Amino acid sequence: AQSVTQPDIHITVSEGASLELRCNYSYGATPYLFWYVQSPGQGLQLLLKYFSGDTLVQGIKGFEAEFKRGQSSFNLRKPSVHWSDAAEYFCAVGLQGFNKFYFGSGTKLNVKP
Amino acid sequence: GAGVSQSPSNKVTEKGKDVELRCDPISGHTALYWYRQSLGQGLEFLIYFQGNSAPDKSGLPSDRFSAERTGGSVSTLTIQRTQQEDSAVYLCASSLETGGYTFGSGTRLTVV
Repeated sequence: AQSVTQPDIHITVSEGASLELRCNYSYGATPYLFWYVQSPGQGLQLLLKYFSGDTLVQGIKGFEAEFKRGQSSFNLRKPSVHWSDAAEYFCAVGLQGFNKFYFGSGTKLNVKP
Repeated sequence: GAGVSQSPSNKVTEKGKDVELRCDPISGHTALYWYRQSLGQGLEFLIYFQGNSAPDKSGLPSDRFSAERTGGSVSTLTIQRTQQEDSAVYLCASSLETGGYTFGSGTRLTVV
């Protein structure tokens, strides 16, 4: 069965530190991959997406993610975290040709001053 | 509109009552999705509309849930005989192409 795993429920980093949020998926075919961010009381905002091509994807707010097919991963990274990045982050996966997307359970990011 | 609009933003209802949640997608977006986000959970797919095709209802949790999309635009999610386990944030999203949805801010439903 298809699944999306975000193994870290909560992560705390210091402001200015680097960040990596993990996402692993289980699919048989080449997926579409997304990262969304949800600030408290807000809807979800698309950070970046991967459909094909260059496996290192740049997104908004200084985020990037790398698709590693062999590891079935699409980890989100940011070299220097800002306090405003505190939010919940969701990885999502879809199969090419289909329109149903599966979301991970989310990772809550806290940023220490 | 500029974004996906959902109403109401908050809804408190008594157990057993019916509720309707509205989603107004971005103009011209042919695909519309409903998801549910329960406390501490990820997003659960409910239903998907694409143009004039039959909707994908495979995520609806029970026959108390139904959704319509009129004129290829506004969608209404109806929950009949609400139960406490229906309490969640109901999110609507639309897209012009496959992938990369734009989400609304959601409707927080509380069943008391």
